[in-house]
Amino acid sequence: DIQMTQSPSSVSASVGDRVTITCRASQDISNWLAWYQQKPGKAPKLLIYSVFSLQTGVPSRFSGSGSGTDFTLTINSLQPEDFATYYCQQTNNFPHTFGQGTKLEI
Amino acid sequence: EVQLLESGGDLMQPGGSLRLSCAASGFTSSRNAITWVRQAPGKGLEWVSTIYSGYSGDAQYADSVKGRFTVSRDISKNTVHLQMNSLRAEDTAVYYCARTIVRYYGDYWGQGTLVTVDS
Repeated sequence: DIQMTQSPSSVSASVGDRVTITCRASQDISNWLAWYQQKPGKAPKLLIYSVFSLQTGVPSRFSGSGSGTDFTLTINSLQPEDFATYYCQQTNNFPHTFGQGTKLEI
Repeated sequence: EVQLLESGGDLMQPGGSLRLSCAASGFTSSRNAITWVRQAPGKGLEWVSTIYSGYSGDAQYADSVKGRFTVSRDISKNTVHLQMNSLRAEDTAVYYCARTIVRYYGDYWGQGTLVTVDS
């Protein structure tokens, strides 16, 4: 199975800051990577898929980059509604493993 | 409007069986792969199963549920079911279903249904 390792596990930031979350795969997953946002008690929300592609309706302050095994999610100019937990997921091979999550706190 | 609605979650004893349903509206669910993801209390997301688009019923399963869980489609009801047998305490989680696009990315999710396995 492909292991997905996110860092950091948690990060504190302020409104207006820029935050970067990284995700490392245990083997090459090409471009088959997504990022999800989850708020407490809610379902995950797709933010970015195939590394770079912004899901419809997601603000442009969210962006993704990387290839192969190393990927990043960048959030520019943090807004109050961005404080949540973020997960990466690889869909290169089954099982479609998730990272352990990164909690973004104020 | 695309919507997914899970149902069937309950408090179960170990070894029991339960069937979850994921009712789709606003789209024809057989045209998309449907994924089940679970989240144990206070934990992260765990991929459980994906049923491929179409009518074959072919699916993939996590090792943790293989041989115990079965996913299927009811085309007439635009619904996907997750049959869960031989339940264990470690199956306790909120179960989400999601419509997938492109390469199995979940673009629409249900609200989740809670399964608790406890004696």
